[in-house]
Amino acid sequence: EVQLLESGGGLVQPGGSLRLSCAASGFTFSTSVMNWVRQAPGKGLEWVSAITGSGGSTYFADSVKGRFTISRDNSNNTLFLQMNSLRAEDTAVYYCAKDAAAWGQGTLVTVSS
Amino acid sequence: DIVMTQSPDSLAVSLGERATINCKSSQSVLYNSNNKSYLAWYQQKPGQPPKLLIYWASARASGVPDRFSGSGSGTDFTLTINSLQAEDVAVYYCQQYYSTSWTFGQGTKVEIK
Repeated sequence: EVQLLESGGGLVQPGGSLRLSCAASGFTFSTSVMNWVRQAPGKGLEWVSAITGSGGSTYFADSVKGRFTISRDNSNNTLFLQMNSLRAEDTAVYYCAKDAAAWGQGTLVTVSS
Repeated sequence: DIVMTQSPDSLAVSLGERATINCKSSQSVLYNSNNKSYLAWYQQKPGQPPKLLIYWASARASGVPDRFSGSGSGTDFTLTINSLQAEDVAVYYCQQYYSTSWTFGQGTKVEIK
């Protein structure tokens, strides 16, 4: 069974940084493209970033380009999202997703002073 | 980016009646080499991650009741909920995964009339 478990969310001040993790199990992590998707309170779903299985290619939404970095540790089946220069509009539940069928439960990031 | 537009934004349907949600993409999400439309439908209830209902525009995900069906190809798609049940109250999203940068419709809220 595919399992994805996010962690690392919390309250951070504007301009601050946070690193999210997603622990994966139940599938061959190292060959899977992985994604981060976020949902602001009361709003819709927004794709944030993706990374290929090898980590050789990364993709970002314009809204986070230059501020967020995606990476992975295939030896420990873990996906990361490094978020820098955080803004109030980055406040959201962040989900990691393998594909349409496999999403984690999400971790809440709140950017506020 | 491929823009996904859902209609309506909300609808109220009587128990046992049919609910129909439309989704239009700004460009075709049909991959000619396999004749598949890279379109998924999700159901999301408060406090929960999105749940996959339909993939490849019309394939029902495992465990999804057969009152849920998807249709369409290319740029125009429909999610139909036959015989609406109380547990179907939720927000429904369409999503294209044709592009590495996924995009989602704005969501359609389904309520009981």
